[in-house]
Amino acid sequence: GAGVSQSPSNKVTEKGKDVELRCDPISGHTALYWYRQSLGQGLEFLIYFQGNSAPDKSGLPSDRFSAERTGGSVSTLTIQRTQQEDSAVYLCASSLDPTASSPLHFGNGTRLTVT
Amino acid sequence: QKEVEQNSGPLSVPEGAIASLNCTYSDRGSQSFFWYRQYSGKSPELIMSIYSNGDKEDGRFTAQLNKASQYVSLLIRDSQPSDSATYLCAVRGYGGSQGNLIFGKGTKLSVKP
Repeated sequence: GAGVSQSPSNKVTEKGKDVELRCDPISGHTALYWYRQSLGQGLEFLIYFQGNSAPDKSGLPSDRFSAERTGGSVSTLTIQRTQQEDSAVYLCASSLDPTASSPLHFGNGTRLTVT
Repeated sequence: QKEVEQNSGPLSVPEGAIASLNCTYSDRGSQSFFWYRQYSGKSPELIMSIYSNGDKEDGRFTAQLNKASQYVSLLIRDSQPSDSATYLCAVRGYGGSQGNLIFGKGTKLSVKP
């Protein structure tokens, strides 16, 4: 497709369950980012992948959060033992490369609700 | 801790007026600066990018950058009700954090007909 694709668009889960969120970046984009946005809040950086380099995990809020990127393309963000405070919109973005001038292009997000 | 600060607003302007949105950043080594627009319930979309001091114009939008003062602004001329949205300032760092984009919390703009 032409843009960043995220699935599912909405996810409702019970507290304590694990969830997986998927991101398919724009073809040819080497950099991939995960952010989350709580209601009425700004974008909180979670993790960043660039090519085959080790990811920048500095934004992951706890060890319940992990992410991987297979084959330099599709990425999966996994949240284990979900908590109510994990409820947010999870946004994935990609950029052509990580150079300063390369903007991020966002997907439509996954709205996660933990009940 | 690298920070990007924006006035949360809401900023209310009448239709046809100039809207001025401001942003300051803490990392003096920041290299590139972006403005994103986010409509309620939607994902952010890129409006402008700027990399060197001065002004950059694109249609009704002008981005201004002053690295010495560590601020970047966005002017929207002839504001329209369709411009009503939250505007996010984003800053990309240098060196180890070069790839990461740090976002401000956004300024909510309301353009009244």
